[in-house]
Amino acid sequence: KAGVTQTPRYLIKTRGQQVTLSCSPISGHRSVSWYQQTPGQGLQFLFEYFSETQRNKGNFPGRFSGRQFSNSRSEMNVSTLELGDSALYLCASSLRAGNLNTGELFFGEGSRLTVL
Amino acid sequence: GQQVMQIPQYQHVQEGEDFTTYCNSSTTLSNIQWYKQRPGGHPVFLIQLVKSGEVKKQKRLTFQFGEAKKNSSLHITATQTTDVGTYFCAGQSSSGSARQLTFGSGTQLTVLP
Repeated sequence: KAGVTQTPRYLIKTRGQQVTLSCSPISGHRSVSWYQQTPGQGLQFLFEYFSETQRNKGNFPGRFSGRQFSNSRSEMNVSTLELGDSALYLCASSLRAGNLNTGELFFGEGSRLTVL
Repeated sequence: GQQVMQIPQYQHVQEGEDFTTYCNSSTTLSNIQWYKQRPGGHPVFLIQLVKSGEVKKQKRLTFQFGEAKKNSSLHITATQTTDVGTYFCAGQSSSGSARQLTFGSGTQLTVLP
């Protein structure tokens, strides 16, 4: 069974640009969450999608957005990049359905974004 | 909003020594999960605790969930170099329409041979 796939793995952007990151969850998983990881800040929750609907949203500015497609694949977009957006962006999928316990999260390898 | 505090941030131990990391939540949790992230890797699920006062063991690892379901701990007995990594707890709130999973800041464990 293939794991969670994130693309691209590495990317370099400059301030003011925008970026789109992609995540393909494990087959059969309909819940996809996104996290930002920076040294010393741990994993900061961005948003969670289930069946193409955003279920939860973290405390990030509106420059961070996401969506989920009918095949459960998800994308997140960051517009008007700032230096502080440099981070590892992790996607995780789970079998969570409805308002139940999340259950095990399966993380992808992440997309490492550097903003210059 | 819900906050999950984790201490210590860093821990250096000699191989063979024990190690413990602690998590405290500002709100009552539905469940708590633990993850391990090896250097350069991604978080990998270790366990989920659901019941008040629950204790689970995985070989040298012992996980506890507090009676009030607001705190948890992970204890490793006789650490090995393979235990190196960052350990995260993640708590799911027990209220709200769509309960979010909040991660602690992690404890980075270094094991000296």
